[in-house]
This record gives sequence, structure tokens and C-alpha cells, in this order.
Amino acid sequence: KAGVTQTPRYLIKTRGQQVTLSCSPISGHRSVSWYQQTPGQGLQFLFEYFSETQRNKGNFPGRFSGRQFSNSRSEMNVSTLELGDSALYLCASSPWDSPMNTEAFFGQGTRLTVV
Amino acid sequence: AQSVTQLGSHVSVSEGALVLLRCNYSSSVPPYLFWYVQYPNQGLQLLLKYTTGATLVKGINGFEAEFKKSETSFHLTKPSAHMSDAAEYFCAVCGTYKYIFGTGTRLKVLA
Repeated sequence: KAGVTQTPRYLIKTRGQQVTLSCSPISGHRSVSWYQQTPGQGLQFLFEYFSETQRNKGNFPGRFSGRQFSNSRSEMNVSTLELGDSALYLCASSPWDSPMNTEAFFGQGTRLTVV
Repeated sequence: AQSVTQLGSHVSVSEGALVLLRCNYSSSVPPYLFWYVQYPNQGLQLLLKYTTGATLVKGINGFEAEFKKSETSFHLTKPSAHMSDAAEYFCAVCGTYKYIFGTGTRLKVLA
């Protein structure tokens, strides 16, 4: 069974630009979550999608957005990039079809550097 | 609100010594708890999880954790550290369609 695939692995962008990150979940998983990891703030939840619906959102500005497609693949977009957006962005895939079935599988992440 | 506290941002042990990484949680409902490991430039890998049932949970790579409700703890242990255990470890509690992570503990294994 293929794991969670995130593309690209590394990205360098300039302040003010926008970026789109992609995540392909494990086959059969309908829940995709996104997390931002930085040395200062640790792992912070961005948002979660299940069957194309956003069910939860973290405390991030509106510049951060996401979506999920009918095949469960997900993208997140960050507009008007700031230096502080430099981070490792992790995608997690889960069945999350019941309270007992919440084990999440993480991708290797996309390392975004904003210069 | 749910939260997780990991005591000790850095822990050093000698190879072959006991590994003990501490995690305390706060939750108003029965918690689902997890330990993840992260190697450099990698994503998170699940070590073990507690949902219901047996309070002593065994995971991969010889790790185990015990859920203690009275102490609101879920400490991670391994009887004998190996050099390959050097990594960062995260404790997490499952919230509403999200994980709440602790700040992580970086484990260093000394030869």
C-alpha cells in the first residue's frame, strides 16, 4: 500500500508570492489534515478535510487555505507569503470514519523556505 | 480544551540504558493518545496508540507506553536504547478531527 505522498519536497519562494502544496493520501482514506511545523511553534494544526468538506480549521490567517478533491487528494495554498511562513508542512491521511479509527499517517512533508 | 505537555525538550541516554520520555495530557473526555517519532527531514511515524482497553500499549521498535488516568500520563519507555533511536518524539492527543501535539522531546543516544 502506497504511503502519503507530498509534492514538492522542497520549495523556495519570495515574499509576496503564493504557493500550492499537494498531498495524495493513502488509498481509501477520506480524511486529510495539514500541519505546519516550525522550531518556534512546533506542530500546529492548519485544517482537516473529509470527503471534500472542511471539518476543522486551526488558528491561521485567511492567507492559508485548502481544498480536497473527489479522489481525496488535497492541496493547500498560501498567498502573500511572509518570511514567517517558512516551515515544514506535513500532510496526514486517516480513515477517520469513526472515533476509534483516527490513526494518522504522515507524509514526508514539504519544506517551504520564503526569502 | 485538550492539551499535551512533554517534560524535557532534550533527553540523553547511554546506549543500552532505559529510555523514558514523559507525557502528561489534559482532556475533559476519555483521551485517545499517540506517540510519534520523527527522524531528520522526515515526516512523523506512529510508534503506538491508546484508544480504549489495555492500559499498557506496545508499539514498534520495542517501545511501549502506559496510560495512567490517575496521573493523566502516557509516558513512553524502551528498556534498552539503541543508536538508531536518536530522533524527536512527539506525544499527541486526538481532538475534534485534529491532533494536538506536545512540543517534542529530542532523544540523544550516547555510545
